[in-house]
Amino acid sequence: GENVEQHPSTLSVQEGDSAVIKCTYSDSASNYFPWYKQELGKGPQLIIDIRSNVGEKKDQRIAVTLNKTAKHFSLHITETQPEDSAVYFCAAIGGGADGLTFGKGTHLIIQP
Amino acid sequence: NAGVMQNPRHLVRRRGQEARLRCSPMKGHSHVYWYRQLPEEGLKFMVYLQKENIIDESGMPKERFSAEFPKEGPSILRIQQVVRGDSAAYFCASSQTSGRDEQFFGPGTRLTVL
Repeated sequence: GENVEQHPSTLSVQEGDSAVIKCTYSDSASNYFPWYKQELGKGPQLIIDIRSNVGEKKDQRIAVTLNKTAKHFSLHITETQPEDSAVYFCAAIGGGADGLTFGKGTHLIIQP
Repeated sequence: NAGVMQNPRHLVRRRGQEARLRCSPMKGHSHVYWYRQLPEEGLKFMVYLQKENIIDESGMPKERFSAEFPKEGPSILRIQQVVRGDSAAYFCASSQTSGRDEQFFGPGTRLTVL
């Protein structure tokens, strides 16, 4: 089955700087890669996703890149703000699967 | 436009009791997924259901756990004879079509087994 690795586990950046979170996946048949933001005590919120036929997708301050050859994808947040502080999860869905396989999460801390 | 709804938000059970977790998908969504999140870990897929059908239960423990999504009413995740290791946050997600469509999550049910 699919295996997703996520790094780093904790990321601290100064407000206004950029943050990058990286994930790798194992199943070359995976074709859908969402990113979720989870605040304390809440459910995961879908913030951006990318499909395997696209290399990059951007939505305001958030962008995701996908390298199918290397089987890795990354989340980029620019001009970080205090409200960006949360745990971020990457996920992938494999060729024969119905459920998402998640990474273990990155705790993003925005320092004022 | 209500999102995915789950209840109860918090559930406390003693060892050996039964836990019933409910999930109402977003309006217009007919696909439901259950995930479990242990402390400091990512979410683990448990089961995928459509109305009246279990499509994929590969992530669900073989014993004590069951799920249903009846023609009318919410999806139910049932845990019989709970043990301390069942303590976790249980999240439900829904999508309009298959799993390769966007999955939207509910607020979760936090189960504590004493």
